Amino acid sequence: QKEVEQNSGPLSVPEGAIASLNCTYSDRGSQSFFWYRQYSGKSPELIMFIYSNGDKEDGRFTAQLNKASQYVSLLIRDSQPSDSATYLCAVPKIKAAGNKLTFGGGTRVLVKP
Amino acid sequence: NAGVTQTPKFRILKIGQSMTLQCTQDMNHNYMYWYRQDPGMGLKLIYYSVGAGITDKGEVPNGYNVSRSTTEDFPLRLELAAPSQTSVYFCASSSSSGGAWETQYFGPGTRLLVL
Repeated sequence: QKEVEQNSGPLSVPEGAIASLNCTYSDRGSQSFFWYRQYSGKSPELIMFIYSNGDKEDGRFTAQLNKASQYVSLLIRDSQPSDSATYLCAVPKIKAAGNKLTFGGGTRVLVKP
Repeated sequence: NAGVTQTPKFRILKIGQSMTLQCTQDMNHNYMYWYRQDPGMGLKLIYYSVGAGITDKGEVPNGYNVSRSTTEDFPLRLELAAPSQTSVYFCASSSSSGGAWETQYFGPGTRLLVL
């Protein structure tokens, strides 16, 4: 089992709809989770961080964490063509020096006008 | 602040050549990282550093070397380039404050093609 797994997609959603992305992780001791957005040919940029069970909302983005089931999800409400990108889930390696992150393979999202 | 800067943006190497990818950050971060990203894939950690003079291997260190003589700079050296090293290389940095919210900030990347 990979440490961090994501469906590679592409996830195709119509403009204005909700895009739902999932990420599962293997280390039950993981405490915090990051979502990065990466446009084609660009570097990853942080869009969400969550460390408590439940939901965290930031604008049109909502991160949902369920530690018992070991998954974290990202919802993008009112999807816009500008949301078309690859979304990377990242989990810090626990008990490891240097704030190292393990990244999932990313989910590619296509928002169609 | 410029954040994390990388040079060059793009480079073509012949098999067997060597080169150094430069990375500089101006955020006074102690932690720095080098990743590679192959097409359609996630990021794989090559090397990381927790401070000047301290470096350690990541998941895929073979064929690479690093040094960290200052807080700001973390160059990545490729010796005897091979086609398998064709990739996009990202440098990143992070604060060492120890908070669970500390994330990594990425440079713009270097696209390397080995022919």
